[in-house]
Amino acid sequence: DQQVKQNSPSLSVQEGRISILNCDYTNSMFDYFLWYKKYPAEGPTFLISISSIKDKNEDGRFTVFLNKSAKHLSLHIVPSQPGDSAVYFCAVQFSGTYKYIFGTGTRLKVLA
Amino acid sequence: NAGVMQNPRHLVRRRGQEARLRCSPMKGHSHVYWYRQLPEEGLKFMVYLQKENIIDESGMPKERFSAEFPKEGPSILRIQQVVRGDSAAYFCASSRARGDIEKLFFGSGTQLSVL
Repeated sequence: DQQVKQNSPSLSVQEGRISILNCDYTNSMFDYFLWYKKYPAEGPTFLISISSIKDKNEDGRFTVFLNKSAKHLSLHIVPSQPGDSAVYFCAVQFSGTYKYIFGTGTRLKVLA
Repeated sequence: NAGVMQNPRHLVRRRGQEARLRCSPMKGHSHVYWYRQLPEEGLKFMVYLQKENIIDESGMPKERFSAEFPKEGPSILRIQQVVRGDSAAYFCASSRARGDIEKLFFGSGTQLSVL
């Protein structure tokens, strides 16, 4: 029962171009959405988040878009850099709770 | 991120042995979470603890798995009589407050391999 899905296990992008990572969820009651980045042999680190009252949040090269009607979340990285190569997890949370539900991750490779 | 300490980084056990995974949260954090990542899967919630209390263990397998977070010392995830299917990366995370958005800090994980 996958409540959070990242259907692309991997993605390759040329340096300087845009990376778009996608995430779909099933429960319209989720109200916080997060992206985490994970390098090999390290734990995930928080990247960017968005609440359900917004449809866009931007932080430097990273922008997260939320389409509530489609239950779809995306992360845009522009311009992509080789150091962005990592596994990206989307996560959802009910506000006021402690349980984060993670997707399966997308491995991004930025080619120099 | 570097503040959550997990050890060991790698743990090898034979089937039937016990595995003990330790997690020291960041300084000032009293909430600990354990997640498991199986190959080709995402991070699965296992258990949420506060000091001396298990708040939610709904993600823990019914048998062989237990967790504690004593008043003094690290949080321990204990797996008894390990089986090959327990092989996974186990991540601990901590936060200052319950449901603290954006402030869930992860350790580097313990890779458990069961032979």
